[in-house]
Amino acid sequence: SQQGEEDPQALSIQEGENATMNCSYKTSINNLQWYRQNSGRGLVHLILIRSNEREKHSGRLRVTLDTSKKSSSLLITASRAADTASYFCATDASGGFKTIFGAGTRLFVKA
Amino acid sequence: SQTIHQWPATLVQPVGSPLSLECTVEGTSNPNLYWYRQAAGRGLQLLFYSVGIGQISSEVPQNLSASRPQDRQFILSSKKLLLSDSGFYLCAWSKAGANYGYTFGSGTRLTVV
Repeated sequence: SQQGEEDPQALSIQEGENATMNCSYKTSINNLQWYRQNSGRGLVHLILIRSNEREKHSGRLRVTLDTSKKSSSLLITASRAADTASYFCATDASGGFKTIFGAGTRLFVKA
Repeated sequence: SQTIHQWPATLVQPVGSPLSLECTVEGTSNPNLYWYRQAAGRGLQLLFYSVGIGQISSEVPQNLSASRPQDRQFILSSKKLLLSDSGFYLCAWSKAGANYGYTFGSGTRLTVV
C-alpha cells in the first residue's frame, strides 16, 4: 500500500492564485519530501522537511508537517502557468533506503 | 556536479522480446540506486533498489530483474516482455547513508506491443 496519499487528485486555478496540496501518510517517518513532475518527464525534488520540523520555505513554496496528524501540505503562492505539473509527496519509510511516493496531485494553472 | 543519465527515452518492443534499460550516475560515488515504474496518471512503484555493487533488493515479484555491475551503473532487464510491462520507467539515485532526496533520470517510456 502506498504510504503517501495526496489530496486533491486534481486542482485547477487561475494564474496568481495560491495552490494548496495535502498529503497524508500512515506510519512514522524520518522525513517527507515533495517532488514535481512535468508531463512525460522525470521527477524533480522540491523540498524536504524532517520529522522534527513544522514548516519550511523555499521561494514561493511553503511546506508544513504535522506528525500528530500524519499530514503535510504544500502551498505554492502566486502561481504561474509554468507551475502546471503533477506534485508528489514521498516519505522515507525505511531507514533512508526506500522512499514511497503517493499518487500525486495534478495542478493546472490557467493563464 | 552530479548527473544521472537514463536511456533510451522511448522504446517500443514486441511481446516476448528482451529488455535492457541502462542508468548511469556521474559525479558521486557509492550512491543508492533505484528503479521505479509509473503507470499513466499514477504514482511511482518501487521496483528495485541497490546500496552497492551486486546488491539488489526487489520490492515486487515480476517479470523484471536488475543488476549493478559497476558502482554507478544500474540496469533493468527482462528476458521476455509482457504487455503488462508497458509503462514509464524512472531511475533515481540518492546519497548513501542519509536521505536528502532523490535525483531522477528523465525516464524511459516503454510500450510493449
